[in-house]
This record gives sequence, C-alpha cells and structure tokens, in this order.
Amino acid sequence: SQKIEQNSEALNIQEGKTATLTCNYTNYSPAYLQWYRQDPGRGPVFLLLIRENEKEKRKERLKVTFDTTLKQSLFHITASQPADSATYLCALDIGGNNRLAFGKGNQVVVIP
Amino acid sequence: ETGVTQSPTHLIKTRGQQVTLRCSSQSGHNTVSWYQQALGQGPQFIFQYYREEENGRGNFPPRFSGLQFPNYSSELNVNALELDDSALYLCASSSPGQVKNEQFFGPGTRLTVL
Repeated sequence: SQKIEQNSEALNIQEGKTATLTCNYTNYSPAYLQWYRQDPGRGPVFLLLIRENEKEKRKERLKVTFDTTLKQSLFHITASQPADSATYLCALDIGGNNRLAFGKGNQVVVIP
Repeated sequence: ETGVTQSPTHLIKTRGQQVTLRCSSQSGHNTVSWYQQALGQGPQFIFQYYREEENGRGNFPPRFSGLQFPNYSSELNVNALELDDSALYLCASSSPGQVKNEQFFGPGTRLTVL
C-alpha cells in the first residue's frame, strides 16, 4: 500500500542548531515533492518544491534534498529560531495538477 | 495572507445532518482542492475542481460532493454526517501551469459532529 512516513515524535532543538526532518514514501512515483509549514489552527503554508530530477533546493535557511532511489526527502532548517516552531508536512504529487498526498507532519520545537 | 477564505470558521452538527462549507479561491486561480485533516494527521485529498468540473477524487464516499462556480469559488457538501467526519476541512487554490506548483491554503473550517 502507499505510505508517506514522517517521524511522529516531536523534534526539540536548541536555538541556532540545524533541525533535520525526514520524509520516506513507498509505492509512489512523484514528479515532485513539497514541504509545507502548519501552525496550530491554521492552513498549511507552502515552503519549497523539489522535482524528481533535482537533488537539492535551498531557500534562505531552508534546504531540501530528494533521493528518488531511496524514496526519501530530507528537510533542513539551519540556524533555527523559536519562530520556526511549527509542524512541517511533506507532500507528494499524486497525478499532476497539484493533487497532493501528505504525511502526518513532524512537529519542531525550537528552544531559546 | 494567501487570499483564500473559508466559511464558516467553526461548525457543530449532529450525526445524520448535512453540511455545506464554502471557499473563495485566490484571485486568478481556477483550481480548488479540498482536503480533510483529522486531529494529528496530515491533510487527505478529497477532490479537486477545475473550471467547474470535478478533476480527480480521493478515497471518499459519494456523500462528499462539491461544486465550483463561474467565479471559481467552491462548496463542499457532506450528507449523512458521521462522527468520523469531525475534522478540519481545508481548501486550497492554485493555477495549473504555474512554475512553483504551489497551493495556497485557506484557514480551514473546523467541523465537529456530535
């Protein structure tokens, strides 16, 4: 069956350190993968997209990698700040036209 | 601020009732997708509307139905509500062909079924 797995345990990290989140998937062949941020009671907010032919993408303090052989994406927040505390969702394209399958999300808590 | 709005913010219904949720897409976006997010879970794709036609559906029963209007706003209707329908319902708008394939989500409607 198709699965998208993100670590269910919250990641507690000291301010200034790098947070690394993992997204593993099975039985999907996504053309691209996206990462979203979600704050409590709010809708997800788009952060980054990486395509199947790209290995790495960066945006400010964020970095995403995509390994289609391992079926895995890594999401890094460098120099983390308390304002980065949120749940981060990975999402796979499931047939084009922005139809997405999401993981459960991984909560990040940045401790000052 | 994404420009996607949803109403109502919160809703309480009882089992067996029907509900209609509304979404106004971001200006210029002709595609609206609906997602259901249960507590502690990621959003699950319900269906998508493109130019007033359903354009893809997830694993949801027919009692979940929708509409898209000529101004691209959309409705999600759920009949015969069940307790498990309690969730945050999110709509997201986008425009095919945009480079980033980014979806803009609204704040959601929190539905509680008693």
